[in-house]
Parts: sequence; structure tokens; C-alpha cells
Amino acid sequence: EAGVVQSPRYKIIEKKQPVAFWCNPISGHNTLYWYRQNLGQGPELLIRYENEEAVDDSQLPKDRFSAERLKGVDSTLKIQPAELGDSAVYLCASSLDLGGGPDGGRAYNEQFFGPGTRLTVL
Amino acid sequence: AQKVTQAQTEISVVEKEDVTLDCVYETRDTTYYLFWYKQPPSGELVFLIRRNSFDEQNEISGRYSWNFQKSTSSFNFTITASQVVDSAVYFCALSEAQTGANNLFFGTGTRLTVIP
Repeated sequence: EAGVVQSPRYKIIEKKQPVAFWCNPISGHNTLYWYRQNLGQGPELLIRYENEEAVDDSQLPKDRFSAERLKGVDSTLKIQPAELGDSAVYLCASSLDLGGGPDGGRAYNEQFFGPGTRLTVL
Repeated sequence: AQKVTQAQTEISVVEKEDVTLDCVYETRDTTYYLFWYKQPPSGELVFLIRRNSFDEQNEISGRYSWNFQKSTSSFNFTITASQVVDSAVYFCALSEAQTGANNLFFGTGTRLTVIP
């Protein structure tokens, strides 16, 4: 079974330029996540999709970042315009969310991560 | 608010030594999940283990073992007889059932180098 696919693997751009990252989740996975990982840090969630719906985008800098997941499969994350501080690795993950869980909360479903896109903004 | 602390930034051990990676967490939720992920140089995060807050039983998987202690809010990871292939960055993470069990909060990671 193919894992989470991301492209490109590396991207170097000048500041103020636009950039887009693409993610293809594991087949059948209904939940898709975009994380940003700064150098020397752990990943931080940017946005989570359940099918086509963005259910948590509270950490997405909406002035310059946008994302979409058309048809509930592939997803694109865009930055326009890019700033020096956007240099990071952008990770995509997917999971099969079956819902339910103790105390009325949502049960965890294992997230599978892609290799990431390393963005360098000059 | 939730928080995960991995105080060890970098650890170096000689091959075949045992090594323990520390993880301390903070949460107000009574139902939560703890994880360890491995990130080799290739960059892909590899899932190692998940524990939920109701299960404090320690776990062993081959050379890996995990010690979950709610009394000290710790979830430590031990590699026995380390190998060069264990060299990677290891992340501890937390998610909370009420705020979104699928929203992972990661620590800053511990870079493990195993010297041959």
C-alpha cells in the first residue's frame, strides 16, 4: 500500500513569491492534516480536514496561507506571498477517522505522515 | 493548556548501550493519548507507540520499552542495546480527547546519535 505522497520534496524561492505544496493521502483516509515543522522543533498543526471540510484551521495564518481539499482526496497548501520566516518543512498526514471514543471525545486514529516538503525562502 | 517537554535536546551513546528518552506532559483532560514518533534523516515521521490515559501498563516491543507514569506525568522511552539505525530524532506527542484526539501536540524532540 502506498504511503502519503508529497511533492515537491524541496522548494527554494525568493521572498514575496507564491508557493504551493501538494499532498496525496493514503487511499481511503478521510482525514488529512498539514503540519509545519520549524528547524529543531516538533511539527505544529496548521489545518485538519475531514473529507472536504476544514474542521480545524485555527493555527493557519490566513493572511497568506490557504489550503484546499477538493473532492476530499488530494490537498494543496499555498503560501502567497512567502516570507523568510516560512522556511520550514511542511508535512502532510492522513488517517481513517472512525469517530467515537470515551467520555464523548473523539477516538484517536493513527496518523501516517508523508516525507514532507522542505521550503527555503531566500 | 497542553504541553509536552522533552528536556534532552541531544543524546549520544555508543552502540549496544541502553538509552532512555524522557517525556513530561501537561494536560487538564482526563482522557488523553501519548505517542512516540521516530524521524530518521529521510524526514518521514514513523509511529512507534500510542498509549491512552486509562492504560498505565508498560510496554515492551523488541528492544523498545515505554514507561508510563501518571503520577509524574511522564512517558519515557528506552532503547536497549542501541544500534546505529536507531539514530534519529524522537518526538513525544500528546492529544486530548475533548479538544480533538487527532490534534497532536509534539515536544521539541530529542536527537539520538548512536556511535558505532
